[in-house]
Amino acid sequence: KNQVEQSPQSLIILEGKNCTLQCNYTVSPFSNLRWYKQDTGRGPVSLTIMTFSENTKSNGRYTATLDADTKQSSLHITASQLSDSASYICVVSAKGGGNKLTFGTGTQLKVEL
Amino acid sequence: GAVVSQHPSRVICKSGTSVKIECRSLDFQATTMFWYRQFPKQSLMLMATSNEGSKATYEQGVEKDKFLINHASLTLSTLTVTSAHPEDSSFYICSARVLAGLSSYNEQFFGPGTRLTVL
Repeated sequence: KNQVEQSPQSLIILEGKNCTLQCNYTVSPFSNLRWYKQDTGRGPVSLTIMTFSENTKSNGRYTATLDADTKQSSLHITASQLSDSASYICVVSAKGGGNKLTFGTGTQLKVEL
Repeated sequence: GAVVSQHPSRVICKSGTSVKIECRSLDFQATTMFWYRQFPKQSLMLMATSNEGSKATYEQGVEKDKFLINHASLTLSTLTVTSAHPEDSSFYICSARVLAGLSSYNEQFFGPGTRLTVL
């Protein structure tokens, strides 16, 4: 069964600090891995997308890594801001079968003063 | 680019009534649109996949007669919750996938969601 697990479930950090969110997956055959930011009451917004051959991808203060061998990914947020408070969801797409997405349960990040 | 809109953003209705939610891809054509439901503190759950001009494919456990999906054009899909009940109260999110070949990632773009509350 395809699964995506994220840790930690929730995280509180002070403004300006860095943090790293983890994602482990068992989706096969693997197509790509995405990180989304979802603000409360809003739809997910794409941060990064990586295929099998991409090890790291950055989008501003967000840097995602992918280790396809160990089936792990991380999302590193640098110099956090209050507006980074949101749920961060790791999503893995499988090849074929309509490229169905498997969603992680998300990491709830809260950035405080 | 790649903007997906939903209307309405929130709706409150009485039990037994039907509610229609629209999902539009504003600046691209989408052969496939997806409808998700999200309960508080949970992840998105796929309800159905709709391809333009054909019947939607529903996930196991999702009643097709209760959640009617119409995908009449490459930019519009609608979800109608028929005879809504309080347990249907949820956050409904659509996504649209660009035409095959235009995105190497088969990327899906999500709408802002519709909050449905059934009294």
